[in-house]
Amino acid sequence: NAGVIQTPRHKVTGKGQEATLWCEPISGHSAVFWYRQTIVQGLEFLTYFRNQAPIDDSGMPKERFSAQMPNQSHSTLKIQSTQPQDSAVYLCASSSRDRENTLYFGAGTRLSVL
Amino acid sequence: GDQVEQSPSALSLHEGTGSALRCNFTTTMRAVQWFRKNSRGSLINLFYLASGTKENGRLKSAFDSKERYSTLHIRDAQLEDSGTYFCAAEAGNMGYKLTFGTGTSLLVDP
Repeated sequence: NAGVIQTPRHKVTGKGQEATLWCEPISGHSAVFWYRQTIVQGLEFLTYFRNQAPIDDSGMPKERFSAQMPNQSHSTLKIQSTQPQDSAVYLCASSSRDRENTLYFGAGTRLSVL
Repeated sequence: GDQVEQSPSALSLHEGTGSALRCNFTTTMRAVQWFRKNSRGSLINLFYLASGTKENGRLKSAFDSKERYSTLHIRDAQLEDSGTYFCAAEAGNMGYKLTFGTGTSLLVDP
């Protein structure tokens, strides 16, 4: 079991560029979560999929951020026109159907917007 | 919004000793999870509690929803226990939306 895999581990973008972050949940897990960690805000919930369907995206910034889960083996978080304040560690987690509230996190993607 | 206050923010222990981390909640939470960030930066799930206590090796956690707190006790601390520990709480109606504490940086020295 390789755990939740996130790629890339580090991404540097210029202001205004697009960034796409990838997450591969643990095989067989039905739920995928995205969180963001910053020094100021700590760990914040962004969005949540169950069985590939978006359930709650209330934590997502209304503009420029979008998340998808096209199949059960990966989810993407896309940030358009990145801004310096988007710099953070973006964490993906997954959980199984019978223990949905027990989250298993990936190592995160550190996004730096210059 | 819901708040999770975690303390201490930093803790230094000598090998073989023990201590406790604590999270206080400003509202009633349905459950709590404790995580440790490993050397690769991943959050490793240590405990999930909806009530009572759980023990795993040298770690023991307790959660009291009514009194609005949770603790993580570490006994006989080892060097490899060093790292950052987080509690995360579930509100009653949106269990998947965890609210994290600010973390405790633990350093165990010889």
